[in-house]
This record gives sequence, C-alpha cells and structure tokens, in this order.
Amino acid sequence: EAGVTQFPSHSVIEKGQTVTLRCDPISGHDNLYWYRRVMGKEIKFLLHFVKESKQDESGMPNNRFLAERTGGTYSTLKVQPAELEDSGVYFCASSQEPLSGAFFGQGTRLTVV
Amino acid sequence: AQSVTQPDIHITVSEGASLELRCNYSYGATPYLFWYVQSPGQGLQLLLKYFSGDTLVQGIKGFEAEFKRSQSSFNLRKPSVHWSDAAEYFCAVGGGRDDKIIFGKGTRLHILP
Repeated sequence: EAGVTQFPSHSVIEKGQTVTLRCDPISGHDNLYWYRRVMGKEIKFLLHFVKESKQDESGMPNNRFLAERTGGTYSTLKVQPAELEDSGVYFCASSQEPLSGAFFGQGTRLTVV
Repeated sequence: AQSVTQPDIHITVSEGASLELRCNYSYGATPYLFWYVQSPGQGLQLLLKYFSGDTLVQGIKGFEAEFKRSQSSFNLRKPSVHWSDAAEYFCAVGGGRDDKIIFGKGTRLHILP
C-alpha cells in the first residue's frame, strides 16, 4: 500500500514568489492534515480536511496560505507571496478516522531566500 | 491550554543500553497520546498510541510507553537501543473536538557505538 506522498521534497524560492505543495494521501483516507515545522520549533497544525471540506483551518498563519482538496483526493497548499518566515518543513498526513494516528508523508522542505 | 513538553532536546545513549524519553502533557480531558519518530530523510512514523485501556502500550520496533494520569506523563521506553534508533522522537496529544494533534518540540536521540 502506498503511503502519503508529498511533492516536491525540497523547494527553494525567492521572497515574493509563489510555491505550491502537493499531498497525495493514502487511498480511502477521508481525513487529510497539513502541519508545519519551522526550524527549531515544534510541529504545528495548519488545517484539516474531511474529504473536500475544510474541517478546521485555525492553524493557517495568514491569508497568504491557501489549501485546497478538490474532489477529496489530493491536496495542495499554496503560499503566495512567500516570505522568509515561511521557511520550514511542511508535513501532510492522512487517516481513516480522526485521531486514529495519522500517517505522515516525508515532508516538503521549503526554503525562502 | 493544551501543550506537550519534552524536556530533553538531545539524549545520547550507548548501543544496547536502555532508553527512556520523557513526555508531559497538559490537557483538559482524557487525552489521546502518540509517539512519532522521524529518521533522517524520512517522514514521521507512528510508533504507538494510547486511547484508553491498559496504560502500558506496546509499539513497533520494540518501543513501549506508559500513561500515568497522576503525573500527566507518557514516557517512551526501550530496553535495548540499536544504532538504527538514532532519530528524532515526538510526543503528541490530541482528542479535542477540533481534532488537532499537538506536538512536543522533539527529542533527538544519539547512539554511541
């Protein structure tokens, strides 16, 4: 069974540019989560999808971040325009049931220069 | 407020020695507790989880954790570590209506040959 897949694994962009991260959850998992780890800090929740609906987006830092999950399958997280403080590792996770212990992807390391 | 504290940022043990990683949580209700591990270049992998029942939980790779409500702790243990256990370990708590998982800052485990 394929795990949670994230693309790209690394991205280096300049301040002010746009970047789109993609997450392919495990097939059949309705719950999809985005988390972020800024260097030296803890992993923080960004948002939670149930199928295509945003269940909770309280962790999104500001309106430069836009997450979508069209059709309830893969999800994208767009950062536009990127700022230096957006650098970090972005994790995606999916699960069949909430709080059952989500399966995480390898993360996308985003560096904004 | 919900929080997770991992007091040790780095821990070094010799191969074959026993291991205990500390985790304390603050949570208003019965928590769902997790331990995740991130090996170099890998995503977060779920080691074990506690929801209810037996307070001693067995996980993968020979790890176990014990839930102690009176101490608000969920320490991770392994009787004999292997060099491949060198990684970063995250304790996490969840269970609220908002379904978020809150992570500790992580403990990086180093193994001496």
